[in-house]
Amino acid sequence: EPEVTQTPSHQVTQMGQEVILRCVPISNHLYFYWYRQILGQKVEFLVSFYNNEISEKSEIFDDQFSVERPDGSNFTLKIRSTKLEDSAMYFCASREGQVPIWTGAFFGQGTRLTVV
Amino acid sequence: DQQVKQNSPSLSVQEGRISILNCDYTNSMFDYFLWYKKYPAEGPTFLISISSIKDKNEDGRFTVFLNKSAKHLSLHIVPSQPGDSAVYFCAASSGGSNYKLTFGKGTLLTVNP
Repeated sequence: EPEVTQTPSHQVTQMGQEVILRCVPISNHLYFYWYRQILGQKVEFLVSFYNNEISEKSEIFDDQFSVERPDGSNFTLKIRSTKLEDSAMYFCASREGQVPIWTGAFFGQGTRLTVV
Repeated sequence: DQQVKQNSPSLSVQEGRISILNCDYTNSMFDYFLWYKKYPAEGPTFLISISSIKDKNEDGRFTVFLNKSAKHLSLHIVPSQPGDSAVYFCAASSGGSNYKLTFGKGTLLTVNP
């Protein structure tokens, strides 16, 4: 079964450093998302990406965050200068373009980001 | 901002019995509701969904009920199996082209053999 893969599974970084989280969405999918879950809290939407541009972003997704689909297969989330409060599990998700919402989205296994 | 609320952080049931997981929402613009299941070290997996124009959707052992007037939905698992032990997330979408999801905090279901 096709799946969304994320690397690395765990990343430890020092405060102020840049970090890039990588995702390979399912190959024929057209919509891509990043969500995050701070420990003990709910899964929160960060950004959606379609047709090579951001289609929607949350207030969490400030200038420190950026996304890119550099080569048609990878989808990356960059945090320019990490803060302690960026520590969370980051989930990438993708969905096909023409299927209805009630089929859900496919999520990767997550990258646990720890900022020290 | 708690547009989707799962007030029970955990639930424990015996194998073979019914599990009922609850979810409340506040945003009247939500038109689809989804349940995701998550095992440790894995991402959320889509389980079942319901449109706001329906009040029930069934898929095998899983049934989701929607009470739009109460802004409440529930997931019933019958019969519960030990393999159902996981965190269950309620999520909602207001449609549009982005299909972004708003999640609840999740309920940890433990099914005891």
